[in-house]
This record gives sequence, structure tokens and C-alpha cells, in this order.
Amino acid sequence: NAGVTQTPKFRVLKTGQSMTLLCAQDMNHEYMYWYRQDPGMGLRLIHYSVGEGTTAKGEVPDGYNVSRLKKQNFLLGLESAAPSQTSVYFCASSIWSGTGKYFGPGTRLTVL
Amino acid sequence: GIQVEQSPPDLILQEGANSTLRCNFSDSVNNLQWFHQNPWGQLINLFYIPSGTKQNGRLSATTVATERYSLLYISSSQTTDSGVYFCAVARSNTGNQFYFGTGTSLTVIP
Repeated sequence: NAGVTQTPKFRVLKTGQSMTLLCAQDMNHEYMYWYRQDPGMGLRLIHYSVGEGTTAKGEVPDGYNVSRLKKQNFLLGLESAAPSQTSVYFCASSIWSGTGKYFGPGTRLTVL
Repeated sequence: GIQVEQSPPDLILQEGANSTLRCNFSDSVNNLQWFHQNPWGQLINLFYIPSGTKQNGRLSATTVATERYSLLYISSSQTTDSGVYFCAVARSNTGNQFYFGTGTSLTVIP
């Protein structure tokens, strides 16, 4: 039981490049989330999903897109990376919103 | 959004000491969770505690929703308790928009 895994762990992009972050969970959780964490700040919700085939915007969705084609995977895409998107990205999952969240190890993204 | 304030921002403890971390929030909430982020960045859910008191080993938490605050107690602290403790709240128990505080950075020294 791997829990929540994220790929890749580190990435450096140039401004304007695109990339996709993969989050996978093997706990059969319905809910999945993408957060970003900037220095000295708490986590901010980018997008979330309440089930396979569904996505919704969080607090800071601009510049990101997501997809949940399979229940166990939640993809976060950056179509045209900007330096303001330099951050640590965390994926999380939960049985439903009222239960504890399980977090992945994070992806450290730097946009030059 | 909901403003979440945590105090103190930084805390240094001698191993074996006790501490209390506080989380104040600006609006009524039906969902509150405490998380620990270890020095390697891993986030661990500690408590789901929208109200009342819970205990898990040396950690316990109390939320007084009517007064808009929650407390996290750490007793007999250990070096492995070091890291950042976050409080996160949501208005609805079915809502997904959690608002995180900026955390309390705890360092436990041997």
C-alpha cells in the first residue's frame, strides 16, 4: 500500500514550457486535491475532484488545468509555466471532505 | 475566504517539555484539521476535530467552534516532533475549500 505518490519529485522548467504532474493513490479515495505551498505560507488549494471524471476550481486555479480520468489518478497541468508558479506542489486524497487527508511527498517545481 | 491565524509562529523547546499551539479562525467552520509537516516536507494528518477534544498518544487537540479557536497540545516533546504544524478549516463539512494557517514552526532540541 503506497498511499499517495507524486511524480516527479523535482523539476526545473523554463518560462513558457508545459508539464504535467501526476498524483496516484491506491486507497480507493473518492476525493483528490492539488495544493501549492509557497515559502512561509500555508497550503492553497488549486483544484480538486470529488470523483472520477469530475474536477472543480479551488482558491488559486489560474494557470493550471486538471483531469481525473481514472479514480486513482489526478493530473495537474501547466500549459505555459511562469516564474510565479515556482512552488512545492502537494497532492492529497481523502475518503470524503469530512475525513482526514493523506498527502503525497510533494513536487518541487522551479520555473526560470 | 476565512482568515486562519496560528500562534506562536516559532517555538523552540527542550526535549521533554510541553507546549500548546493555537489556531484562531475568523468565521464559523464545520471542519478543522491539524497537520504536521516534518523537516523533509511530508505532511501528516494529525486530527480531524471540528469540535470537542481528541487524544492520540502524546498529542491532543481541542476545538471550541463557538469561540472560533482550536488548541493542539504536545506533551513530553521529542526531537521527532520538530517541523511545522498547520491548522486548516472549512466552512462546511461537505465543502472542499480548506483554508490553511501559516503554521507554527517547532524545533525540539535534545
